[in-house]
Amino acid sequence: AQSVTQPDIHITVSEGASLELRCNYSYGATPYLFWYVQSPGQGLQLLLKYFSGDTLVQGIKGFEAEFKRSQSSFNLRKPSVHWSDAAEYFCAVGGGADGLTFGKGTHLIIQP
Amino acid sequence: GAGVSQTPSNKVTEKGKYVELRCDPISGHTALYWYRQSLGQGPEFLIYFQGTGAADDSGLPNDRFFAVRPEGSVSTLKIQRTERGDSAVYLCASSSLGSDTQYFGPGTRLTVL
Repeated sequence: AQSVTQPDIHITVSEGASLELRCNYSYGATPYLFWYVQSPGQGLQLLLKYFSGDTLVQGIKGFEAEFKRSQSSFNLRKPSVHWSDAAEYFCAVGGGADGLTFGKGTHLIIQP
Repeated sequence: GAGVSQTPSNKVTEKGKYVELRCDPISGHTALYWYRQSLGQGPEFLIYFQGTGAADDSGLPNDRFFAVRPEGSVSTLKIQRTERGDSAVYLCASSSLGSDTQYFGPGTRLTVL
């Protein structure tokens, strides 16, 4: 069965500092991987996705993620965070008829 | 264009009652998904439609939950004999044919008293 682990429940970062959110997955085949962001009262917004090809993918809002098959990881990064980045971030794997399997999320807090 | 819409945005009901939650997918999207998000958790897959038929309903927790999509567009998630444990945000997502990218609606927050 597929699964996603986001080991950090909360992360606090100073505004302007760099960010890395961790994601590890378990999947039987080549995974389709996603990062979504959820702000309070808002729906899930897709930040970026990996299907195949270049293992470093660029997304919206200045985010990027790197797929590392050997580590079963798909970590999300941003070089300089803004206060508006404070939100809940979800990593997900799968797609198609199986639906998506999500991690439990990482709550990002931005310190001024 | 318009995104996925869900109604109502909030629903409060009493234990034992029946509820219906509605999802309007993005126009032209053939695939539709329902998820449930409990407090402090990630969304959990419930059911997937391709067109009018439920291609995979393995995520429905029990037979109190049922979903339909009679014309291949709007979908309704139906919960019978609601229990307090059903309280959660119910999310709907849609995707176009051949795409694995799902676009989510804002959700319906269900509270069972």
